Amino acid sequence: NAGVTQTPKFQVLKTGQSMTLQCAQDMNHEYMSWYRQDPGMGLRLIHYSVGAGITDQGEVPNGYNVSRSTTEDFPLRLLSAAPSQTSVYFCASSPPGGGPQYFGPGTRLTVT
Amino acid sequence: GQQVMQIPQYQHVQEGEDFTTYCNSSTTLSNIQWYKQRPGGHPVFLIQLVKSGEVKKQKRLTFQFGEAKKNSSLHITATQTTDVGTYFCAVYNAGNNRKLIWGLGTSLAVNP
Repeated sequence: NAGVTQTPKFQVLKTGQSMTLQCAQDMNHEYMSWYRQDPGMGLRLIHYSVGAGITDQGEVPNGYNVSRSTTEDFPLRLLSAAPSQTSVYFCASSPPGGGPQYFGPGTRLTVT
Repeated sequence: GQQVMQIPQYQHVQEGEDFTTYCNSSTTLSNIQWYKQRPGGHPVFLIQLVKSGEVKKQKRLTFQFGEAKKNSSLHITATQTTDVGTYFCAVYNAGNNRKLIWGLGTSLAVNP
């Protein structure tokens, strides 16, 4: 099993550009989440999904869209990148019922 | 909303010294999870505590859940350079097991 995979590993965007961060898991987990991690801020939840076709907002959803058309994939879209979105982005998956979360390796995004 | 406070924010120890990080909540927790993130890496699940007063050990790591289920601790005996990283506690949002609420983490540095 590959676990949780994320692409790309690194990305540089100009302000106003859009892009999609990819996340996939092969553990058949129903729950998936997107976090951003900034120095001193811990992990902040952007969006999450409890199953295909079901998504909900976390604590910092503005500027990001998600969709969940399959159990395996949970892409994160940046609509119009801003320097404030420079961060490390982690995708995680977990089985339902409050179990551990399994993280991808992260995407390091810089917006200039 | 629900919050977990984690202290200290940073800890610098000599190799061989012990280390403890604490996680506190003002509300009763159903369970608590601990994760470790190595520098440049992603969070990795260590353990979940569920029962009041629970104590679990993983080699040199000892995890405790308070009797009132409002606090938890992670203790490392005789630290090694491989223990370097940030240790996070996380709890599921009250009333559902869909969103994890994260502490800000304790960053551990170990001098060889």
